[in-house]
Amino acid sequence: EIVMTQSPLSLSVTPGQPASISCKSSQSLLHSDGKTYLSWFLQKPGQSPQLLMYEVSSRFSGVPDRFSGSGSGTDFTLKISRVEAEDVGVYYCMQGRQLWTFGQGTKVEIK
Amino acid sequence: EVQLVESGGALVQPGGSLRLSCAASGFTVSRSYMSWVRQAPGKGLEWVSVIYTGGSTYYADSVKGRFTLSRDNSKNTLYLQMNSLRSEDTAVYYCARAAVQPFDYWGQGTLVTVSS
Repeated sequence: EIVMTQSPLSLSVTPGQPASISCKSSQSLLHSDGKTYLSWFLQKPGQSPQLLMYEVSSRFSGVPDRFSGSGSGTDFTLKISRVEAEDVGVYYCMQGRQLWTFGQGTKVEIK
Repeated sequence: EVQLVESGGALVQPGGSLRLSCAASGFTVSRSYMSWVRQAPGKGLEWVSVIYTGGSTYYADSVKGRFTLSRDNSKNTLYLQMNSLRSEDTAVYYCARAAVQPFDYWGQGTLVTVSS
């Protein structure tokens, strides 16, 4: 099983400031098809999770461009260029290289 | 519009059984990978099971041998049969679609509580 490790586990951010979340996998997420199966989700309070990013850096439909993803192999990062109040919630990375596993989650709150 | 609506969650005793349903609309279940993901109270997300377009199913080790995932193409509905339930199976269960992108649509979830 591929283990996903996120850091930090919580983050308090001033509106308008950037934020960054790290995600590391225990094995490379690069598939033989050339794609890297790393996704990011946001679960807002009281809601179901929603897809933000897939294949490391592709934004899902409707996701604001202040969200960006980067990384390769086993090290990945989600960045929010300017945090807004609506960005609060828990962020999860997820690997899809071998079935699926999620990171522990990073709780983002506004200062 | 894509919609997923879960149902069937309930309070059940340890060792009991329950069947969850996920009714889909706006797309065809048999043409997508469909998964169940669960979230224990106050905890993170845990992938549970997937059914591929060809009908193959896979399970997390924590539920293998106890849970069975199936679909009814005529009803465009996914089912999760859960047997030998344990307290650690207590969670909100979400169904989610994996089409071109992974888990691009999720249902609202249904709560399963395993307790005596």
